[in-house]
Amino acid sequence: GAVVSQHPSWVICKSGTSVKIECRSLDFQATTMFWYRQFPKQSLMLMATSNEGSKATYEQGVEKDKFLINHASLTLSTLTVTSAHPEDSSFYICSAPPPGTVGGDTQYFGPGTRLTVL
Amino acid sequence: QQQVKQSPQSLIVQKGGISIINCAYENTAFDYFPWYQQFPGKGPALLIAIRPDVSEKKEGRFTISFNKSAKQFSLHIMDSQPGDSATYFCAASRGLTGGGNKLTFGTGTQLKVEL
Repeated sequence: GAVVSQHPSWVICKSGTSVKIECRSLDFQATTMFWYRQFPKQSLMLMATSNEGSKATYEQGVEKDKFLINHASLTLSTLTVTSAHPEDSSFYICSAPPPGTVGGDTQYFGPGTRLTVL
Repeated sequence: QQQVKQSPQSLIVQKGGISIINCAYENTAFDYFPWYQQFPGKGPALLIAIRPDVSEKKEGRFTISFNKSAKQFSLHIMDSQPGDSATYFCAASRGLTGGGNKLTFGTGTQLKVEL
């Protein structure tokens, strides 16, 4: 089946630094990718929709200047957490629907990236 | 985002028993209802999904029951095994009506299957 990868799988950084997380679709092209954040023992909260070749669409309450999303190619979307603080520590997960997906059918999730900000 | 309410928050089932997780939604425009399984430190994996035109879907030990009038759907895991111990999320989207595949997740159920 289709695979979505994320890199890195975990990252520890100091407060105030920026961290970039990559999401790749390995065997299909994804014009749309989604970024989620998940705090421990909580649900996945959609942060933004990443669109290839255009600006990302952010959910209400998500700071677009803090969470920069770039969907530069049909197989790669990046999420950059700028000036990270301890409260940004979370599990970040991306997902992508394969091409031809209609009506919310099958979305493939990446394995997630654990961000810890000291 | 429209809410999807999920219960119970946690569930302990004996091996071989039936695990039942329930979800309720508000937005009648939702037209796709998947269930995801997530192990600690991993991304969610699609288990089974249903659309509102059917009331039940079965795949192996997993069954979704869907009640459109009540706006509720549930996951049944038959013959539960210790390997089923994970967190389960229901979700909903309105892809066919322009929702763009955006998923709204339930709050999750932590299932533990004991020997």
